[in-house]
Formats: sequence, C-alpha cells, structure tokens
Amino acid sequence: GDSVTQMEGPVTLSEEAFLTINCTYTATGYPSLFWYVQYPGEGLQLLLKATKADDKGSNKGFEATYRKETTSFHLEKGSVQVSDSAVYFCALSLRGYQKVTFGIGTKLQVIP
Amino acid sequence: DVKVTQSSRYLVKRTGEKVFLECVQDMDHENMFWYRQDPGLGLRLIYFSYDVKMKEKGDIPEGYSVSREKKERFSLILESASTNQTSMYLCASSLIGRGQGSYNEQFFGPGTRLTVL
Repeated sequence: GDSVTQMEGPVTLSEEAFLTINCTYTATGYPSLFWYVQYPGEGLQLLLKATKADDKGSNKGFEATYRKETTSFHLEKGSVQVSDSAVYFCALSLRGYQKVTFGIGTKLQVIP
Repeated sequence: DVKVTQSSRYLVKRTGEKVFLECVQDMDHENMFWYRQDPGLGLRLIYFSYDVKMKEKGDIPEGYSVSREKKERFSLILESASTNQTSMYLCASSLIGRGQGSYNEQFFGPGTRLTVL
C-alpha cells in the first residue's frame, strides 16, 4: 500500500540553524506530495505542496523538491526561528482518490 | 478562509458512555474526514465521507461510527467509549479534486482531546 516514512524526532536545533527533515514515500500511482505543519494546540495546516516530479514547493522560507527518482520530498529551511517549533507531517495523495496518507510527524524544537 | 470547527477542545467521558464529536465546515466541501492522532502513530483515518449520507471506512473504524445528514456537518460517534479511545481527534474537509494536476488539500479543525476514564 501507499506509505510515507519520516523520522519522529524530536529534532532540536538552535535558532538560525539549517533544517532538513527527510521524507520518503511509496505509492502505487503518481502522487501529489505535501508538507503540513501543526503548531502547539492547533490542527494541521498545509505548508507547501508539489504535484509533479521536479516541482519545488515553497512557503515561509521552507522548501521541498519532488524527487521521483529517489521517491523523496525532504523539507528544508536555511535559518529556523523559535516560532518554527511545531510538528511537521509529510503526506501524499493519489490523483482521483480523496484520501491523504500521512507520515507519523516530526517534532521540531528550536531553542534560542 | 475555510473554517473547520469542532464542538469541544477537551472532553472527559467514562468507559461505556456514548460520545458524540461534532465537526462543521463552512466552505461547501464535499469531503470530510475523521482522524485520530497518537504519539508515534501519526494520523490514522477513522472514517471519511464524500457526500451527504455517504461514508467509507478508513484504516481504524472499529468502535466508531459516523453520521453525515448535512453537507457541512460530520459527526463521529463512539458507541461505547473505552480507555483505548483516549486520543486527539481531528476533523478535516476538502474539495473533491478534479482534473489533471488537482490536489486534495485538507483543512483541519483544532482537534478534540478526548480522555476516557
């Protein structure tokens, strides 16, 4: 079946450090890929997306590139802030299907 | 802006009680979903609905049922609550993706943290 793999963390970084959260996927078809973010006490919200190979999604300084050859969609940010502390979920959705498959979420803690 | 609201942020119930969790969305979305979120397990789909009175089982439907009588409202029902149903419950909605390149962004409510004693 379809699945998304990411580390659970927590990932602890100092402010202004470089962030990478790895995400790999397995899918039977050609998926769209997403990163969602969950801030403390809130529901999830879409951070960025990519719908085809080599697309780069970006938002709020975060980026991720859809790599079909390595089935990956790693999340990166050049300089994290304390306000980026949250749980980050990688996810995929197949065209024609209404469901989204989520990874287990990676908790990021940024310390001043 | 899409708004998805859930009836309670925190709920405490006793084992064996019947529990209703309500979710309402205001953007005329066809799809609605119920997930539970647990540490180390991420989000797991309980049920979803793609139209009024239509429902499909997700990955973990046992012990739950759902009701969708109106397009904007999707209810999750725990027929007889048990302690292993203590969890965070998240509701989401989305449009039906249509056409090449469409994607199914889901919009989430803030969650209901349910504790079953």
